[in-house]
Amino acid sequence: SAVISQKPSRDICQRGTSLTIQCQVDSQVTMMFWYRQQPGQSLTLIATANQGSEATYESGFVIDKFPISRPNLTFSTLTVSNMSPEDSSIYLCSVEDGGGYTFGSGTRLTVV
Amino acid sequence: EDQVTQSPEALRLQEGESSSLNCSYTVSGLRGLFWYRQDPGKGPEFLFTLYSAGEEKEKERLKATLTKKESFLHITAPKPEDSATYLCAVDRAGTALIFGKGTTLSVSS
Repeated sequence: SAVISQKPSRDICQRGTSLTIQCQVDSQVTMMFWYRQQPGQSLTLIATANQGSEATYESGFVIDKFPISRPNLTFSTLTVSNMSPEDSSIYLCSVEDGGGYTFGSGTRLTVV
Repeated sequence: EDQVTQSPEALRLQEGESSSLNCSYTVSGLRGLFWYRQDPGKGPEFLFTLYSAGEEKEKERLKATLTKKESFLHITAPKPEDSATYLCAVDRAGTALIFGKGTTLSVSS
């Protein structure tokens, strides 16, 4: 199965700043997914990122707030922009992998 | 509206005390149902995929079953290392996974 390296694992950020989260996959994948997991909540899909095209965002998420890059088939970044305390969550990337889905280890973001 | 509901939210067991976790779903175009384990501070770890009603899969002390409306994760003679949050998710045609909120399992020795 695919192995995903996600960085950073955690960060504490000041409100109004931005954080970029990186995911590197050890194999080429067509689609990468970005999720948010708020405290005590389930995973919620933010967007789907295909290489060579604009990411597709779910209802309630916009590109200005969560810009995504997908420069090649093994790498993607998610930026959380102009952060507020409500953005404090775990952010996870995921790839479809042989009929299942593999997840990165997550980025725990705290906004103060 | 597609929905995944897990129960109970939390479950405390004594070591060796078997039990079941429930995942009920209402989804159109179900392609598969997934079970994941998530430890604190980590991403979800894949356990099982079930594709059709009547299917069962086992791994060590865990067995997952699927009906047309729900799935069960049976835990037989659990050990403290089975303590984690167990997530259920459904895969719909053409979209990414929809997750339930999870069941947090605590097993004490």
